[in-house]
Amino acid sequence: DAMVIQNPRYQVTQFGKPVTLSCSQTLNHNVMYWYQQKSSQAPKLLFHYYDKDFNNEADTPDNFQSRRPNTSFCFLDIRSPGLGDAAMYLCATSRATGRVSGEQFFGPGTRLTVL
Amino acid sequence: AQSVTQLGSHVSVSEGALVLLRCNYSSSVPPYLFWYVQYPNQGLQLLLKYTSAATLVKGINGFEAEFKKSETSFHLTKPSAHMSDAAEYFCAVSETSGTSYGKLTFGQGTILTVHP
Repeated sequence: DAMVIQNPRYQVTQFGKPVTLSCSQTLNHNVMYWYQQKSSQAPKLLFHYYDKDFNNEADTPDNFQSRRPNTSFCFLDIRSPGLGDAAMYLCATSRATGRVSGEQFFGPGTRLTVL
Repeated sequence: AQSVTQLGSHVSVSEGALVLLRCNYSSSVPPYLFWYVQYPNQGLQLLLKYTSAATLVKGINGFEAEFKKSETSFHLTKPSAHMSDAAEYFCAVSETSGTSYGKLTFGQGTILTVHP
């Protein structure tokens, strides 16, 4: 089945220790998104890639970076995690034509704990 | 700018009762509207979507929603709740023009509890 895969599902890191979260997709979608979802809150978009074009949300901290080496993979790097970065991180994909995008398909998420 | 308001952060119903989850949106252009469901420690699953076709949209698991432009609403309903419907539900809006590339703006979510 075509899907969005996130690894690991649970990640524990130490305060200030860099961490990378991984997302892969078999849908061949050209847009990939990263969301942060804190406890009891709605998902908040951090950034997205339209093909290789990176689009950062204005309020995304510099501590968060992303890489998309190819269509299938996208990584979220947190350079120096703080306690406030503990959250569920959701990856999503969609197929866009021009400026119109179809529905987003979400992965199962990675729950990040910062000690 | 677009926004979504979900009325009621918690809704509790009895098994077999009607489910009604409320969503109002604000958008400067014709929107696309979505309802997603999230089970604990899982990602979001699309229940249904409105993309300017029929105003009454049927989704998975017996859910449906009606787009009412005059009321800027997109409420989610299900005639008879099942225990397995207990989850958190998010309404989301996406603009159909501009540079958003389908960027979703989510409501704050409604936790649905179903009692036996």
